[in-house]
Amino acid sequence: DQQVKQNSPSLSVQEGRISILNCDYTNSMFDYFLWYKKYPAEGPTFLISISSIKDKNEDGRFTVFLNKSAKHLSLHIVPSQPGDSAVYFCAASSQGGSEKLVFGKGMKLTVNP
Amino acid sequence: DAGITQSPRHKVTETGTPVTLRCHQTENHRYMYWYRQDPGHGLRLIHYSYGVKDTDKGEVSDGYSVSRSKTEDFLLTLESATSSQTSVYFCAISRGLMGDTQYFGPGTRLTVL
Repeated sequence: DQQVKQNSPSLSVQEGRISILNCDYTNSMFDYFLWYKKYPAEGPTFLISISSIKDKNEDGRFTVFLNKSAKHLSLHIVPSQPGDSAVYFCAASSQGGSEKLVFGKGMKLTVNP
Repeated sequence: DAGITQSPRHKVTETGTPVTLRCHQTENHRYMYWYRQDPGHGLRLIHYSYGVKDTDKGEVSDGYSVSRSKTEDFLLTLESATSSQTSVYFCAISRGLMGDTQYFGPGTRLTVL
């Protein structure tokens, strides 16, 4: 049973526009969420995280929103740049981050110049 | 960038042969992980370690074993490789709690013929 779902496998946006990547989870015990970005032939790199005590966290062009009642989080990238083209993984953990991370399947973002 | 190296970076082997992948860190982080990445599955945890000689299974541990004799090294062994183990393998480390931000190595692409 997939606990972290990234239902859209890909997204294509124009440079300068907003990219919105979505993630849903089923385990109500999850309380810490992360986004990772992965370029081809490289390992994933940490992008941004959010704790369940917050509903928003910003870091430059990246903002993560958490809707606990809907068990949904989203990553907004504004403005999108061609260098943002990558696969993005959503991940979640429980017990304040003391449990193993559970990853979604990933979503490929393409930002067109 | 976190100091994580993986060796080899690429390997082609035949079914039934043993294979060992190495992960080396220079960060003195307590936790180390082995993941595999496959199309349609995202990142799946194979085994992890929470200290020297302390290891445990992840969600896809069958056919794999691990060892950690030093803080900096975490070895993943396929005792008898099968074609289903053709994948990209990533090592990761984290400083503290298991759900803490994980830093990934560059990956090893393994092909089992």
